[in-house]
Amino acid sequence: QVQLQESGPRLVKPSETLSLICSVSSDSISRYYWNWIRQSAEKGLEWIGRRYTYGGNNYNPSLESRVTMSVDTSKNQFSLKLTSVTAADTAVYYCARDRGGQYEGLDYWGQGILVTVSS
Amino acid sequence: DIVMTQSPVSLPVTPGEPASISCRSSQSLLHNNGYNYVDWYLQKPGQSPQLLIYLGSYRASGVSDRFSGSGSGTDFTLEISRVEAEDVGVYYCMQPLQVPWAFGQGTKVEIK
Repeated sequence: QVQLQESGPRLVKPSETLSLICSVSSDSISRYYWNWIRQSAEKGLEWIGRRYTYGGNNYNPSLESRVTMSVDTSKNQFSLKLTSVTAADTAVYYCARDRGGQYEGLDYWGQGILVTVSS
Repeated sequence: DIVMTQSPVSLPVTPGEPASISCRSSQSLLHNNGYNYVDWYLQKPGQSPQLLIYLGSYRASGVSDRFSGSGSGTDFTLEISRVEAEDVGVYYCMQPLQVPWAFGQGTKVEIK
């Protein structure tokens, strides 16, 4: 059973950078696409973007200027950086997996991490 | 951007009875490979979303055959043949065809 676990600071100050890591266990991180999705009461579920293990990103244009995603195959982790955060970035952040060209949905999700942007 | 619109917003259901949720997209989700790029997810209380249906009608591994997805183009339906108490939660459709991927606003299913 594949398990995903988000980790990182739960409180970030306005204008600073939100950094999260998703650790993947029980399966190799290779050959898959890795997504970040967030959920807030105001916007519901919002797809942030995805990255393929071996390069290539798709980012939500509304966030693209502030988002960076990367994959560390040696640690079986992938990460999200979101710069210049505001209160509007307060949300539960989820990581999730998809199979890319052999698409079969977002088949595994992390439990989510609540990140609050506040001074 | 593709907009996903679900109805109803809230759905009270009786255990043992069928239930149906509609999802409409602002653009066709039919890819030229013949697949409709729409998924269905269930978010149970206090949990992360879980995949039920992908590519319109394919049940994810381990999902009960009480759940089925149908539709093509811009109109899609999730049906539960016989609702059970464990099916309560918020159901979302999502389109993974075009960036940015987008979710519907959700349909809350609760037991009457």
